[in-house]
Amino acid sequence: DAKTTQPPSMDCAEGRAANLPCNHSTISGNEYVYWYRQIHSQGPQYIIHGLKNNETNEMASLIITEDRKSSTLILPHATLRDTAVYYCIVRVERNAGNMLTFGGGTRLMVKP
Amino acid sequence: NAGVMQNPRHLVRRRGQEARLRCSPMKGHSHVYWYRQLPEEGLKFMVYLQKENIIDESGMPKERFSAEFPKEGPSILRIQQVVRGDSAAYFCASSPWDLSSYEQYFGPGTRLTVT
Repeated sequence: DAKTTQPPSMDCAEGRAANLPCNHSTISGNEYVYWYRQIHSQGPQYIIHGLKNNETNEMASLIITEDRKSSTLILPHATLRDTAVYYCIVRVERNAGNMLTFGGGTRLMVKP
Repeated sequence: NAGVMQNPRHLVRRRGQEARLRCSPMKGHSHVYWYRQLPEEGLKFMVYLQKENIIDESGMPKERFSAEFPKEGPSILRIQQVVRGDSAAYFCASSPWDLSSYEQYFGPGTRLTVT
């Protein structure tokens, strides 16, 4: 399984962009990069995923480097409600399932 | 469209008792996953089920834990003879039958406390 490395914590000012990095240097060619977040005491929430190209949705943007060894999740205008643990996950297919392997994540604190 | 539902949200059991955790997937979803989150740790995969089948139980402890997803009704995670180390948040997730959809939708979790 490709492992991911994320900084344990980050701070961001409210209204500013939050840029969360993730290293996945051993990623295989058919593995996707997923981002989930977990707001305190809640179940994880899907944010975005991508393979090679940059992706954007209503929640965030995902920038994947050309060599695919790292990526950055961008929350363009962070709010206090974005305070959460953000998980970068590389999906591995096993037994035709798609279980998620969560690492330690990055604890993002959005401050007023 | 209701999301993934789990009950109870909080469960207290004494050592040696049984704990039964229920998960109702989103409508139309036939894949269910159970994850466990120990205090101050990340989520760990336990088991993946489809209707009436266990597909992957590589994350399940070898003893005392079992899971099912019957043809009718919710998925059940059963823990027999609970010990204090079983105290954790247990999350269920579901996804649709079409595996090209890679998203998993998580429920609010059941917080199990073993006294």
